[in-house]
Amino acid sequence: EVQLVESGGGLVQPGGSLRLSCAASGFTFSSYWMRWVRQAPGKGLEWVASIKQDGSEKYYVDSVKGRFTISRDNAKNSLYVQMNSLRVEDTAMYYCARVTTTRALDIWGQGTMVTVSA
Amino acid sequence: DIQMTQSPSSVSASVGDRVIITCRASQGISSWLAWYQQKPGKAPKLLIYAASNLQSGVPSRFSGSGSGTDFTLTISSLQPEDFATYYCHQDNSLPRTFGGGTKVEIK
Repeated sequence: EVQLVESGGGLVQPGGSLRLSCAASGFTFSSYWMRWVRQAPGKGLEWVASIKQDGSEKYYVDSVKGRFTISRDNAKNSLYVQMNSLRVEDTAMYYCARVTTTRALDIWGQGTMVTVSA
Repeated sequence: DIQMTQSPSSVSASVGDRVIITCRASQGISSWLAWYQQKPGKAPKLLIYAASNLQSGVPSRFSGSGSGTDFTLTISSLQPEDFATYYCHQDNSLPRTFGGGTKVEIK
């Protein structure tokens, strides 16, 4: 079964750090671009970051540049995002998603919740 | 940044109704547009890719059209399981952006 499973979310104080993971199974992980997308409580979807198949290209939304780092380990079929200097406005459900060759997100994880609060 | 404007933001409809959701991009995005359905507490689900292509396993009552700046998602005959929030998403340029969502509610 093609699947993405996120982990690593939790409660963190402003200024803190968290590392989210996304475990892929059922497909050739190294063949796909991957993304992180987040959704603040009661709000819409927001693209966070993208990474190329070999990790050579990475892109970020402006609001997380310099604070978040996307990475992947193709040997472990895993995607990561290291989140530093967290802010209250980073509070959201974080989803990882697979990008198709037609630039759509066809497989999503169940999400992991990040809460930034004092 | 490309702004994606969806309308309406919400719609009340009955089972069997035809529902049309529009998405307008602030600049041309060719056909790099996808539509997603999201139900409460669940991850989004891909419905339409490249503006008009039905994702495998998605019922044929869903259809998409458009190119450039104006796009539509049509549900030809609304079913009980279609009550959800729908998002458009452009993949033409960075930053990737989503529309604000359209909530389809039971009338």
